Amino acid sequence: QKEVEQNSGPLSVPEGAIASLNCTYSDRVSQSFFWYRQYSGKSPELIMSIYSNGDKEDGRFTAQLNKASQYVSLLIRDSQPSDSATYLCAVKPRISGGYNKLIFGAGTRLAVHP
Amino acid sequence: KAGVTQTPRYLIKTRGQQVTLSCSPISGHRSVSWYQQTPGQGLQFLFEYFSETQRNKGNFPGRFSGRQFSNSRSEMNVSTLELGDSALYLCASSLTGADNEKLFFGSGTQLSVL
Repeated sequence: QKEVEQNSGPLSVPEGAIASLNCTYSDRVSQSFFWYRQYSGKSPELIMSIYSNGDKEDGRFTAQLNKASQYVSLLIRDSQPSDSATYLCAVKPRISGGYNKLIFGAGTRLAVHP
Repeated sequence: KAGVTQTPRYLIKTRGQQVTLSCSPISGHRSVSWYQQTPGQGLQFLFEYFSETQRNKGNFPGRFSGRQFSNSRSEMNVSTLELGDSALYLCASSLTGADNEKLFFGSGTQLSVL
């Protein structure tokens, strides 16, 4: 079992729809969770962080965390073609001493079509 | 505030050579970490430095090394380059590397080994 798992996609959604991206992780004691967006040929850009169970909203983005189920998700409302990118789920594991050792999923490619 | 700066942006080397990559963190950030990104393995943690000390290391051979200077700038070195070392090398920084801190990435150095 991989430490952080994501559906590689591509996830294709029409413009204006809600895109739902999912991630599961294996380290039960992980405390910090992040979503990064990476455009082709560019570096990852942090878009959301979440540390507590529940929902966290920032503009069109909502991150959801369920530690009991070891599940993190990202919802993108009113999806735009400019949202087309690879979305990387990252977990900061406590077991490995934390610091900035993020474990990344393989990423989900999102394609928003007009 | 300037972001994380990595130089050079592109690098072409041949097998057996060595290479040094440079990273300047965001001003005030003292934790610098390095990641390797390849199409097959995704983003993988190399090592993390804080106050000139390596605090955490990923599962890479000893050919990969790094250091951090008193001004928090960091370098990573890869000796005896192999074809499989071709990758995007990303540097990231945060204030101290504590659990709930956000990690910001530089634009990366694209290394091609021929």
